[in-house]
Amino acid sequence: NAGVTQTPKFQVLKTGQSMTLQCAQDMNHEYMSWYRQDPGMGLRLIHYSVGAGITDQGEVPNGYNVSRSTTEDFPLRLLSAAPSQTSVYFCASSDQAGSQFFGPGTRLTVL
Amino acid sequence: GNSVTQMEGPVTLSEEAFLTINCTYTATGYPSLFWYVQYPGEGLQLLLKATKADDKGSNKGFEATYRKETTSFHLEKGSVQVSDSAVYFCALSVSPGNNRKLIWGLGTSLAVNP
Repeated sequence: NAGVTQTPKFQVLKTGQSMTLQCAQDMNHEYMSWYRQDPGMGLRLIHYSVGAGITDQGEVPNGYNVSRSTTEDFPLRLLSAAPSQTSVYFCASSDQAGSQFFGPGTRLTVL
Repeated sequence: GNSVTQMEGPVTLSEEAFLTINCTYTATGYPSLFWYVQYPGEGLQLLLKATKADDKGSNKGFEATYRKETTSFHLEKGSVQVSDSAVYFCALSVSPGNNRKLIWGLGTSLAVNP
C-alpha cells in the first residue's frame, strides 16, 4: 500500500513552459485535492475532485487545470508557467471520515 | 464564514518541556477538527482528530480536546523531544457528503532544543 505518490519530486521550468504534476493513490478514496504551500501562506487549495469525472476549483485555481479520469489518478497541469507558481505542491486524498493523506510533495521552481 | 486561527510561531522549547499550541475556530454546523504535522522536507501527516464536542484526540503523546464552548482545539504534549521539531497545522471540516474540504490554519513551527 503506497498511499499517495507524487512525481516528480523536484522540477525547474522556464517561464511559459507547461508541465504535468502526477498524483496517484491506491486507497480507493473518492476525494482528492491539490494544494500549494508557500512561506507564511499555509496551504491553499488549488483544485479538488469528489470522484472520477468531477472536479472543482479551490481558492487559487488560475493557471492550473486538472482532470480525474480514474479514481486513482489526479494530475495537475500548469498551462504556461510563471515565477509566481514557484512553490511546493501537495496532492492529498481523503477517507470517508474526512482525514486527508498527503503525498511527499513536488518542489517547483519557475525561472 | 469558517476559519481557523493558530498561535504564531516559531515556538522554541527545551527537551522535556510542556507544549501547548493554541487553535481556535469559527464554523457553522458541527465541524470535525484535526491536527496535522509536517516534518522538514516531507508532506503533512494526520496527528490526531476529534469529531464531536468533548472528544479527545491523542497520538504519540500529543492530545487535543474539542471544546465547543470555547471553540478551541489546543494541542498539548507533556514532554517534548527533539524529534517533535516540525510545523503543526490545525484544520477543520464542515463539508457534508463527499466534499471533504479542510479549512487550514497557517501552521505553527516548533523547534525543540536538546
